[in-house]
Amino acid sequence: AIQMTQSPSSLSASVGDRVTLTCRASQGIRNDLGWYQQKPGQAPKLLIYAASSLQSGVPSRFSGSGSGTDFTLTISSLQPEDFATYYCLQDDSYPWTFGQGTKVEIK
Amino acid sequence: QVQLVQSGAELKKPGASVKVSCKASGYTFTNYYIHWVRQAPGQGFEWVGIIDPSGGRTNYAQNFQDRVTMTRDTSTSTVYMEVSSLESDDTAVYYCARRFCFGGTACQYDSWGQGTLVTVSS
Repeated sequence: AIQMTQSPSSLSASVGDRVTLTCRASQGIRNDLGWYQQKPGQAPKLLIYAASSLQSGVPSRFSGSGSGTDFTLTISSLQPEDFATYYCLQDDSYPWTFGQGTKVEIK
Repeated sequence: QVQLVQSGAELKKPGASVKVSCKASGYTFTNYYIHWVRQAPGQGFEWVGIIDPSGGRTNYAQNFQDRVTMTRDTSTSTVYMEVSSLESDDTAVYYCARRFCFGGTACQYDSWGQGTLVTVSS
């Protein structure tokens, strides 16, 4: 199975900060990657698909980039509602695998 | 709008089985695969398997090959996941999620059920 490694595991940031999260695949997955936001007690919400395409209804401050093995999710200006845990998910091959998550906390 | 509604929380003893349902609405049920994933308390996600609601074909994660069965009922637009021989490590929130393929190729989960907590304890 393809392993997905996210870094950092957690970070503290302030409202208005630019934040970059990283996800690395154990082998090349082209651009077959999505990013999700999960808040406590809720199901995840899709933010980005195909590594860089913004899901409908998601604010434009979220952006994704990368291809092959290295991917990033950037939040250009952190808002109060963005404090959550973020996961990457590869859909290149079964079994689909998730990163272990990055928790974004308030500084 | 697309909705996936799962059955309620379950408490099971080790060795027992559990069957979780996921009822779909707001779209053509047979057009989209449904995946099941689980999340242990305070942990990340683990992929359990997939079912094609059209023909019923399934694909399970190797870790669950011998213990999980996914089925569907097209008359009620409901998919089911049954896990047998439960152990304490199976305690988790189980989610169903719809696989949506953007442009036919880039597939992700665009809709999720609310999750079903399965607790395994003696």
